[in-house]
Amino acid sequence: EDQVTQSPEALRLQEGESSSLNCSYTVSGLRGLFWYRQDPGKGPEFLFTLYSAGEEKEKERLKATLTKKESFLHITAPKPEDSATYLCAVQAAGGSQGNLIFGKGTKLSVKP
Amino acid sequence: EPEVTQTPSHQVTQMGQEVILRCVPISNHLYFYWYRQILGQKVEFLVSFYNNEISEKSEIFDDQFSVERPDGSNFTLKIRSTKLEDSAMYFCASSGRDRTLGSSYEQYFGPGTRLTVT
Repeated sequence: EDQVTQSPEALRLQEGESSSLNCSYTVSGLRGLFWYRQDPGKGPEFLFTLYSAGEEKEKERLKATLTKKESFLHITAPKPEDSATYLCAVQAAGGSQGNLIFGKGTKLSVKP
Repeated sequence: EPEVTQTPSHQVTQMGQEVILRCVPISNHLYFYWYRQILGQKVEFLVSFYNNEISEKSEIFDDQFSVERPDGSNFTLKIRSTKLEDSAMYFCASSGRDRTLGSSYEQYFGPGTRLTVT
């Protein structure tokens, strides 16, 4: 069964304290791995797509990496405005453009 | 910047009533989706829609649910007879500006409709 597990469930950081979020996945052929940011009461906001092991993407203080079993979202020198829930999702290969399978997310709190 | 829009933002209905949730996907996108998120739980896939027909659906998407693209811009989710357990945030998403582009698999989500069934 395709599934996504994110850890930790919650992470509290001080402003400037770098850390990483983990997303482990099992899928029958990976088409893509996606990172989203979700603020309370809002829809997921697209951040990155990773397609193959070894790939990396960066955006401001965020960097996403991918291996054959997991992905990391590295946050460098976070600011309070980075506080949100970060969601990881995978899409299986094959067939038409298919559904995203989401993890439960990591709730990040950054204190000033 | 193009975005997915959804209406209403909040819908309150009584059990057994029909509701229609509306979405306007990003212009020129080819694939449309509905997801739901029960409070405190994962985002769950409901259905995908392409070329005016359902391409995939989950076990959640039973006979009480239907989708429609009534015109060139709107995409709707109908729940025929709502149940208490249908209370959730419902998200519309779209993807696929062009199947030849590498970015065509990215799904862009709307702000959601909070459905409360009483």
